[in-house]
Amino acid sequence: SQQGEEDPQALSIQEGENATMNCSYKTSINNLQWYRQNSGRGLVHLILIRSNEREKHSGRLRVTLDTSKKSSSLLITASRAADTASYFCATDATSGTYKYIFGTGTRLKVLA
Amino acid sequence: DAGITQSPRHKVTETGTPVTLRCHQTENHRYMYWYRQDPGHGLRLIHYSYGVKDTDKGEVSDGYSVSRSKTEDFLLTLESATSSQTSVYFCAISESFTESAYYGYTFGSGTRLTVV
Repeated sequence: SQQGEEDPQALSIQEGENATMNCSYKTSINNLQWYRQNSGRGLVHLILIRSNEREKHSGRLRVTLDTSKKSSSLLITASRAADTASYFCATDATSGTYKYIFGTGTRLKVLA
Repeated sequence: DAGITQSPRHKVTETGTPVTLRCHQTENHRYMYWYRQDPGHGLRLIHYSYGVKDTDKGEVSDGYSVSRSKTEDFLLTLESATSSQTSVYFCAISESFTESAYYGYTFGSGTRLTVV
């Protein structure tokens, strides 16, 4: 079964708006990552947040982590058409290991 | 993707035939992984390697085997291909894992495999 589940499955917004997607997981983790996948391409690592962190920023990306709720959110501010992609969260399959389990992803479409 | 290449990029094969996919890296990373991606399932880990000749199973390893005889190459073999193994296969690499210095995977561009 999936360790991480993203919500919503699909999201369509206008350029300039913010996009928020969520990830829920089942077991304790050491860290959580977010990846982007453009159509037909491999995944690209966006950001990693450790279990002792609550919020992290990278450019227009903001990630939060709530370990009590076993959930994370990814916020993309001032979205652009180029942000159109699928976004995946990944968590270490067993806390402290180097195996990561990916969710099913959120498909984001940014309309120009 | 820089430092990691997968071959072939596309392959069509017949049911029952063996198939080998190759992942080659130039980053000298210790860890290598094979995932498959299917609609509705996201990415699922097939096998991974934590060093030369050191491999272990992931969550969907049945029907697959791997080998790593050199740091730079990680081979995935479908012993007898079935239609359920039609998928996109991704290889990923990562640096040695430490609590303070882990930066995620680098993925290859994928191999689209069709079993007919």
